Amino acid sequence: SQKIEQNSEALNIQEGKTATLTCNYTNYSPAYLQWYRQDPGRGPVFLLLIRENEKEKRKERLKVTFDTTLKQSLFHITASQPADSATYLCALGGDYKLSFGAGTTVTVRA
Amino acid sequence: NAGVTQTPKFQVLKTGQSMTLQCAQDMNHEYMSWYRQDPGMGLRLIHYSVGAGITDQGEVPNGYNVSRSTTEDFPLRLLSAAPSQTSVYFCASSYRGVDEKLFFGSGTQLSVL
Repeated sequence: SQKIEQNSEALNIQEGKTATLTCNYTNYSPAYLQWYRQDPGRGPVFLLLIRENEKEKRKERLKVTFDTTLKQSLFHITASQPADSATYLCALGGDYKLSFGAGTTVTVRA
Repeated sequence: NAGVTQTPKFQVLKTGQSMTLQCAQDMNHEYMSWYRQDPGMGLRLIHYSVGAGITDQGEVPNGYNVSRSTTEDFPLRLLSAAPSQTSVYFCASSYRGVDEKLFFGSGTQLSVL
């Protein structure tokens, strides 16, 4: 069956460091992969989308890589700030359906 | 623009009751969808629609009905609520599909006793 796995442990990092989140998938051949941010009690907010023919995408302090051979995406937050503290969700898309991982909670300490 | 609006924000039901969760978007999006989110699990797709009059099932459709009579509205109906349907429900929309970003509502927290 299809499976999406994100870092099972929460991530606690010092302000200014880089946070690296992992999204692994099995039994999928996604055409694109998305990352969302979710704050407590709120709906997810879109951050980045990367397509299967793209290796890397950047937006300000965010960087996403997509390796279809390893079936893995890495999500990096550089120069992290306390305001980056949230849960980050990866999602795989195809055929009008977007499937989400359980998310990784990131806490950035000042 | 209001974006995606969900009502109510909170609801408590008794087992066997029925209710409708409302979702409306004012962005002229063709694609709309409903997800449920449970602790420790990812968002799971319940139903989706690619346009007015067209709906289809997602991963966990049992116990839920949808219809799409207008582009703006996509209500989710619980026919006979069960405790297993206690969850947070999110509506999401996009211009045409999931190959672009989804806009999410703020969610409805539903408890079934």
